[in-house]
Amino acid sequence: NAGVTQTPKFRVLKTGQSMTLLCAQDMNHEYMYWYRQDPGMGLRLIHYSVGEGTTAKGEVPDGYNVSRLKKQNFLLGLESAAPSQTSVYFCASSPGTGSQPQHFGDGTRLSIL
Amino acid sequence: SQKIEQNSEALNIQEGKTATLTCNYTNYSPAYLQWYRQDPGRGPVFLLLIRENEKEKRKERLKVTFDTTLKQSLFHITASQPADSATYLCALDLTGANNLFFGTGTRLTVIP
Repeated sequence: NAGVTQTPKFRVLKTGQSMTLLCAQDMNHEYMYWYRQDPGMGLRLIHYSVGEGTTAKGEVPDGYNVSRLKKQNFLLGLESAAPSQTSVYFCASSPGTGSQPQHFGDGTRLSIL
Repeated sequence: SQKIEQNSEALNIQEGKTATLTCNYTNYSPAYLQWYRQDPGRGPVFLLLIRENEKEKRKERLKVTFDTTLKQSLFHITASQPADSATYLCALDLTGANNLFFGTGTRLTVIP
């Protein structure tokens, strides 16, 4: 049982390049989330999804897009990467309906040069 | 502005003692509060959840309290062990919709 899997684990991009981070969960969870974690800032919610085909903005959505075409996958896209997007990105999932534990992947470390 | 503060960035305690971590918040009225553990290079792992109408929750050596008047949650680890060394995060769920606002964490080191 893999839980939440994020790919890739590490990536270095140049300013202006685009890329997609993939999150996959095998727990049949309804809700999925993308966070970024920066030193001294804590985890901040970028976008989330409450079900297949739905997405919504979180606290810091600018510069990112997401898609949830399949229940088990949640994709985070950077269309034109900026140095300010250098961060560790975490995906999480939860069963939904009320406050529930979130299950996190081990993160993608992204550097934008 | 909204703020979640966790007592100190780092806390060192002796093995066997009780560790107490603090989570203070302003300008929020959370319906739920969650605590997570995060090890270096890993994602957070859920530990405990407490509702606004609960004063205390326990799980093995862990205890969390929630004081909505003081706007504070305390997280206790009794009989601490070196394996408890990690960063502990508190997270507020304002409405029960499971959108979490995280504190910056407290790095706990248990010294043998």
